[in-house]
Amino acid sequence: GQQVMQIPQYQHVQEGEDFTTYCNSSTTLSNIQWYKQRPGGHPVFLIQLVKSGEVKKQKRLTFQFGEAKKNSSLHITATQTTDVGTYFCAVPSGTYKYIFGTGTRLKVLA
Amino acid sequence: DGGITQSPKYLFRKEGQNVTLSCEQNLNHDAMYWYRQDPGQGLRLIYYSQIVNDFQKGDIAEGYSVSREKKESFPLTVTSAQKNPTAFYLCASTPTGVNQPQHFGDGTRLSIL
Repeated sequence: GQQVMQIPQYQHVQEGEDFTTYCNSSTTLSNIQWYKQRPGGHPVFLIQLVKSGEVKKQKRLTFQFGEAKKNSSLHITATQTTDVGTYFCAVPSGTYKYIFGTGTRLKVLA
Repeated sequence: DGGITQSPKYLFRKEGQNVTLSCEQNLNHDAMYWYRQDPGQGLRLIYYSQIVNDFQKGDIAEGYSVSREKKESFPLTVTSAQKNPTAFYLCASTPTGVNQPQHFGDGTRLSIL
């Protein structure tokens, strides 16, 4: 069956350092979504990527979809304490069903 | 404001007891979902429903049951057959159409007494 791997599992960075999480699929994807979950909170949708090689930016966050549409990355420039949380990718498995990656937990040290 | 309401926020279950978690949405979304999240883990799909009176099993449906009698409501029952129910349960919904973003409720934390 379809598998979604997300790395790293954990990342501790000093405030101001950059951070990247990667999501890899065993199959070609029609699209990929990214979510952020703050500690004790619920996942919140960040963005969806659809096109091969697509790059989208949201302030300090840069999202990229691989050329082969099997992998994606989320890069945060100059992390802040407000970036703390777990970042998940989610990929479609059928029309309405999604598979979530295992997530990358980010801790930012002030 | 529109959104998804889950209740209760915390729930304790005794051995052999069934408990029901509530999920209500006023977003007029067609599809609704239940996920289970264990500490430090990702989300695993329990059940989902695309339309009223219809639902499908997810990856970990054993020990759980759902109903979808109204568009707004998708309650989840954790039965006594679920031997390890302690987890964070998240309800989500999506609007009509493919590849829509999921909107989540605040979740219910279930623990065994």
